[in-house]
Amino acid sequence: QQPVQSPQAVILREGEDAVINCSSSKALYSVHWYRQKHGEAPVFLMILLKGGEQKGHEKISASFNEKKQQSSLYLTASQLSYSGTYFCGTPPNTGNQFYFGTGTSLTVIP
Amino acid sequence: NAGVTQTPKFQVLKTGQSMTLQCAQDMNHEYMSWYRQDPGMGLRLIHYSVGAGITDQGEVPNGYNVSRSTTEDFPLRLLSAAPSQTSVYFCASSSGLPYNSPLHFGNGTRLTVT
Repeated sequence: QQPVQSPQAVILREGEDAVINCSSSKALYSVHWYRQKHGEAPVFLMILLKGGEQKGHEKISASFNEKKQQSSLYLTASQLSYSGTYFCGTPPNTGNQFYFGTGTSLTVIP
Repeated sequence: NAGVTQTPKFQVLKTGQSMTLQCAQDMNHEYMSWYRQDPGMGLRLIHYSVGAGITDQGEVPNGYNVSRSTTEDFPLRLLSAAPSQTSVYFCASSSGLPYNSPLHFGNGTRLTVT
């Protein structure tokens, strides 16, 4: 049930771009993205629903392709504050359960 | 608003002891859930609730009990602690089903079982 994220870890210099992928072997009904700083709770970034939509949050945006059962998170012109672990999360249906991917550690260096 | 409040922040237990992790939210959210987070394994769903009096199991429910007597509170009980339950526990709530509603997380409880 757990979606798969790639890469597991990435190191960027300030100003560089990154893409984090999230895929599932099962149908995706929606995809959430969260960021967790070390020692803190995960913080919600965005939800993408069916329809191939793309959303943006500052310089962070995401796409959702339900046919390919995958979502991608795009971080452009990265800043030091973007460092953290990014998790995607998906429900197996429109019901009550919700599963997170194993996370992608993103480190932005000066 | 305080959001989602978890207590305690840290706890050390001996094997076989029992304890309750507290979770309270003041946002009138119907949906609440418990996750455990272990290195390299992300967040795994333990139990969840869609409203007072209704609870159900997630993917790793063994060794844990929950109840939901009020909308605000969703405590997690460890019946007989084991070293494998050493983890960071997060409580999360949302205003609707997680299909289309964001999860709001508490600050976590770091549990060590010796």
